[in-house]
Amino acid sequence: DIQMTQSPASLSASLGETVSIECLASEGISNDLAWYQQKSGKSPQLLIYAASRLQDGVPSRFSGSGSGTRYSLKISGMQPEDEADYFCQQSYKYPFTFGSGTKLEIK
Amino acid sequence: EVQLVESGGGLVQPGRSLKLSCAASGFTFSNYYMAWVRQAPKKGLEWVATISTSGSRTYYPDSVKGRFTISRDNAKSSLYLQMNSLKSEDTATYYCARHGLTGSWYFDFWGPGTMVTVSS
Repeated sequence: DIQMTQSPASLSASLGETVSIECLASEGISNDLAWYQQKSGKSPQLLIYAASRLQDGVPSRFSGSGSGTRYSLKISGMQPEDEADYFCQQSYKYPFTFGSGTKLEIK
Repeated sequence: EVQLVESGGGLVQPGRSLKLSCAASGFTFSNYYMAWVRQAPKKGLEWVATISTSGSRTYYPDSVKGRFTISRDNAKSSLYLQMNSLKSEDTATYYCARHGLTGSWYFDFWGPGTMVTVSS
């Protein structure tokens, strides 16, 4: 199975600050990487797929990058509504696996 | 508007069975692969099962293979998960999720989830 190592586990940011979350795959996943946002008590929502493609309706302050085994999610200008848990997921091969999550809070 | 609504969760004893359902609307259900993903309390996400558009192909991780069965009824726009020989570690919120366009294995829409608690 492909292991997804996500960091940091938690993060505190001020409004307007730019934050980054990283995911490291245990083997190359050819940009088959998705990012999800999960707000408290809600189901996950797709933010980014294919490593860098923004899902319809997602604000442009969210962006994804990376290749091979290393990928990152960037939020350019933290907003109050961005406080949530974030997960990466490899969609390269079965079994699909997720990172352990990053809890992003407002400082 | 795409909507996925799960039902069928509840409290069940270890070793017993439970069947979850997911009602889909707002899109052509038969055109999409569908999946179940679960999340144990205060834990991360775990993919549980995927089914092809026709239902002829199914995929599972080792943790549930042989115990869980995913199925679908395209005429009813419904997805199901039959869970047998349940264990305490199956306790989780179960989400019905839609895969992206054919060949895309991310999950682009999720239901609100249904809670399953396995306990004596």
